Amino acid sequence: GAVVSQHPSRVICKSGTSVKIECRSLDFQATTMFWYRQFPKQSLMLMATSNEGSKATYEQGVEKDKFLINHASLTLSTLTVTSAHPEDSSFYICSAREHRGSFEAFFGQGTRLTVV
Amino acid sequence: GEDVEQSLFLSVREGDSSVINCTYTDSSSTYLYWYKQEPGAGLQLLTYIFSNMDMKQDQRLTVLLNKKDKHLSLRIADTQTGDSAIYFCAESISTSGYSTLTFGKGTMLLVSP
Repeated sequence: GAVVSQHPSRVICKSGTSVKIECRSLDFQATTMFWYRQFPKQSLMLMATSNEGSKATYEQGVEKDKFLINHASLTLSTLTVTSAHPEDSSFYICSAREHRGSFEAFFGQGTRLTVV
Repeated sequence: GEDVEQSLFLSVREGDSSVINCTYTDSSSTYLYWYKQEPGAGLQLLTYIFSNMDMKQDQRLTVLLNKKDKHLSLRIADTQTGDSAIYFCAESISTSGYSTLTFGKGTMLLVSP
């Protein structure tokens, strides 16, 4: 299957700093990428959907100024958590689809963010 | 509305069959999926079924879909300790030309020797 690489896998940052998480599709071009947040013992909550070259579409309740998403190329999307706070600590997972209407999404291995 | 429900926990003995159940509410779902998540890892697609199918078998995995009742199940035959993980059911809904996934809360499968 297709490979989606997410980096870093773990990051610890100080409160008030910003953290960037990268999501790369290694062997295919991803026209659409999704960012999810997963709380302990809970499901994945879709944060935003981004299509290459256009602005991300954020789900209700997700602050776009806090979670900046950039999908500048067909193989790379980034999520920047700005001015991080301890409540932003979570497991963030990206996924990518090769083209619109594709039924299969491939997931990255996730990033464990801890804000201290 | 979009709501996917799963039982939270299942415990089986090695060698037994496991059946994980899921219900969904959106009748316009095109595909339904089962993902596996091991501790601290991302999601691995196990199998999927198109909404006009009733059953799909893939080695030890059997997916049953009852579209009338909006019920999906995953059966794992000859369950092994390596199958211990969280299993997520997800439905795919198309909006604005692309599809998004809505996940259940996941079922933790514990396989004991």
